[in-house]
Amino acid sequence: DGGITQSPKYLFRKEGQNVTLSCEQNLNHDAMYWYRQDPGQGLRLIYYSQIVNDFQKGDIAEGYSVSREKKESFPLTVTSAQKNPTAFYLCASSIQTNSPLHFGNGTRLTVT
Amino acid sequence: RKEVEQDPGPFNVPEGATVAFNCTYSNSASQSFFWYRQDCRKEPKLLMSVYSSGNEDGRFTAQLNRASQYISLLIRDSKLSDSATYLCGGPTSYDKVIFGPGTSLSVIP
Repeated sequence: DGGITQSPKYLFRKEGQNVTLSCEQNLNHDAMYWYRQDPGQGLRLIYYSQIVNDFQKGDIAEGYSVSREKKESFPLTVTSAQKNPTAFYLCASSIQTNSPLHFGNGTRLTVT
Repeated sequence: RKEVEQDPGPFNVPEGATVAFNCTYSNSASQSFFWYRQDCRKEPKLLMSVYSSGNEDGRFTAQLNRASQYISLLIRDSKLSDSATYLCGGPTSYDKVIFGPGTSLSVIP
């Protein structure tokens, strides 16, 4: 079955460490997105990519980095520069800009 | 003004009621919008896409008003299982896909 996979589901890190969240899709979608969700809040866009080897900052990119070396993969690195990294991180993909997004089941990151 | 805005609620309605949510957007060039349902601690699931004036699927109707720049979601004959957070969103400037903060719905027996 085609889908979008995020791993791990839960991740725990110490403050000051960089951590990379995985996102893989086998839907052959061109566009991929990373969102952050805090308790009781909506989705805030971190980074997005419309095509391989190209990506754009979203509304809250500071403290995060991404790469898009392959169409199916869009990993997100949460760096030590991110002030409040504990959150629910959601990856999504879409076939093109005006198409609905398909979401992975998310990674809950806790930094202590 | 935020690119996509929603009334966060919560909306508490009795079973069987009809409830409507509105979502406003600021980019008049936006072509498509989506309503997602999100259950607690889960990923959002697509409920409906809205590309033109509206869309209907069973008890759910979504409408787009381009002149006033809002999208609405109407739920008829509410069920207990409709309790969730409803997110609206769509592509805005520079192909960013932005979501509103979500509207919380609780359907009460």
